Amino acid sequence: DGGITQSPKYLFRKEGQNVTLSCEQNLNHDAMYWYRQDPGQGLRLIYYSQIVNDFQKGDIAEGYSVSREKKESFPLTVTSAQKNPTAFYLCASSIGQGARTYEQYFGPGTRLTVT
Amino acid sequence: GDSVTQMEGPVTLSEEAFLTINCTYTATGYPSLFWYVQYPGEGLQLLLKATKADDKGSNKGFEATYRKETTSFHLEKGSVQVSDSAVYFCALIPATNAGKSTFGDGTTLTVKP
Repeated sequence: DGGITQSPKYLFRKEGQNVTLSCEQNLNHDAMYWYRQDPGQGLRLIYYSQIVNDFQKGDIAEGYSVSREKKESFPLTVTSAQKNPTAFYLCASSIGQGARTYEQYFGPGTRLTVT
Repeated sequence: GDSVTQMEGPVTLSEEAFLTINCTYTATGYPSLFWYVQYPGEGLQLLLKATKADDKGSNKGFEATYRKETTSFHLEKGSVQVSDSAVYFCALIPATNAGKSTFGDGTTLTVKP
């Protein structure tokens, strides 16, 4: 089955540690995205990548970093510079340029708790 | 910049009631519009979409019509079920720079038997 996997589902870290969230897709999608979701709020875009080896900052990129070395993978690192990292993180992908609708398909999410 | 405004929730309905969740947007040109649904602890699932004015998206009894004149994309369902209880998000993707999508804050729907 094609889809997006995120691991782990729950992640706990101590303040001051960097942590990397995994996102893998086997949909052959060109574009991938990372969102942050806080309770009772919508999604905020952290980073997105439309092709391998290229990515752009979203609305809340400070304190986060990404890489896109392979089409299938788009890991997100939450650094110690992120002031309030506890949140639900969602990865998504979509087909790339040339397709009008660009609907996004989401993974199941990773809930990160930093204490 | 682009924005999406959804009616504030939570919304509580009895089973078989009519559902409307309002969504209005601000964007230049002709964005694509979407409704997503999120069940507790899960990611978002695409519910329906519309890519041009007057398009009607539909799926699982839900419908929404792209209204350019009122910049709206209201979600409707004629008869809700308990299983429809979830959070619903309205979203847009602009006509240019497809990576920069914008989501509303979500509306929580609870359907009681």
